[in-house]
Formats: sequence, C-alpha cells, structure tokens
Amino acid sequence: EAGVTQFPSHSVIEKGQTVTLRCDPISGHDNLYWYRRVMGKEIKFLLHFVKESKQDESGMPNNRFLAERTGGTYSTLKVQPAELEDSGVYFCASSRAPSYVYNEQFFGPGTRLTVL
Amino acid sequence: SQQGEEDPQALSIQEGENATMNCSYKTSINNLQWYRQNSGRGLVHLILIRSNEREKHSGRLRVTLDTSKKSSSLLITASRAADTASYFCATDESGGSNYKLTFGKGTLLTVNP
Repeated sequence: EAGVTQFPSHSVIEKGQTVTLRCDPISGHDNLYWYRRVMGKEIKFLLHFVKESKQDESGMPNNRFLAERTGGTYSTLKVQPAELEDSGVYFCASSRAPSYVYNEQFFGPGTRLTVL
Repeated sequence: SQQGEEDPQALSIQEGENATMNCSYKTSINNLQWYRQNSGRGLVHLILIRSNEREKHSGRLRVTLDTSKKSSSLLITASRAADTASYFCATDESGGSNYKLTFGKGTLLTVNP
C-alpha cells in the first residue's frame, strides 16, 4: 500500500508569489489533514477534509491560504501571496473513516517551503 | 505546559540502553499517538493508544497512558543507532467531531554506537 505522498518536496519562492502544494492520501482514506511546522515551533493543525468537504479549517492562518479537495481524492494547498512567515514544512496526513474509530493519521514526507 | 508536551527535550544514550520519553497533555483525549521523525524526513506513525487503554506494546516499543495524570510514556528497549530521531506525541481531544492532532515540540533522541 502506497503511503501519503506530497509534491513538491521543496519549494523556494519570492515573497508575493503563489505556491501550490499537493497531497495524495492513502487510497481509500476519506480523511485528509494539513499541518505545518514553522521553524522552532510545534507542528500545528491547519485543516481537515472528510472526502471533499472541509470538516474543520480552524487552523488556517488567514485568507491567503486556500485548500481544496475536489472529488475527494488529492488535495491542494495554495498560498497566495506568500509572506516570509509562511516558511516552514507543510505536512499532509490521512486516515480512514470514521475518524472516531480510525484516527491513526499517516503523514507524508512534507513540503519544505522557503519564502525569500 | 502545552498540550502534548514531551519531556525531556533531548536525550542521549548508548546503543543497547533503554530510552524513556514522557508526554503530558491538558485536555481529555480520545487517543494519543507517538510519531518519529528522522532528520529532514516525514513523520512515521509508531503507535496509537486509546483513552481506555493503559499500556500497549509494539516490537521494542512500550507505551503507557495515565489519563488521571494526563501523561504518557514511550519506552524504547535495546536502542539502536537507527532509533536516533525526534519523537513526538500527539493527542486528539474527546468530544464532538474534532479529530485534529495537537503536537508537542518533541524529544530529540540520540543513540550513540
């Protein structure tokens, strides 16, 4: 069984540019989560999809971040325009449904975003 | 302390020794999970323990959970150099449909050959 994959592994962009991160969850996992870790801080939750619906987006920092999961398969996270403080590692995780039984979350390798 | 705070922050041991890491949290939880992160890589899921469980084993790993103290420990027995990594505990709060994980800052374990 393939694990969670993320693309790209690294991205270096200028402040003000747009970046789109992609996550492919484990096949059959309805739950998809985005997290990020900025330098020196804890890994923080961003949002949670159940299939194509946003279940919880309480962790999204501001409206420069837009996450989508069309068709309930892969997800994208777009940052537009990027700011310096957006630099960090963005992780995607997936888990089976229902969440209250199967909340083992399996993480991808992360995308390291550097905003210059 | 913060939700899912690990202790110690760093631990250095010799190969073959046991390593114990602790985690404290603040709210009632459904589950507590431990993850490992090797330098520059993704998070690897190690083990999940449910709030109604007290102890769980997986290979050389032993996890305990004390919900009355809101704490958990991860024991790695007979450590190997390959166990060198950062270890994180993560909790999800009980109640409602909130399954997001809250992480601590992690324990950096170094196993010297």
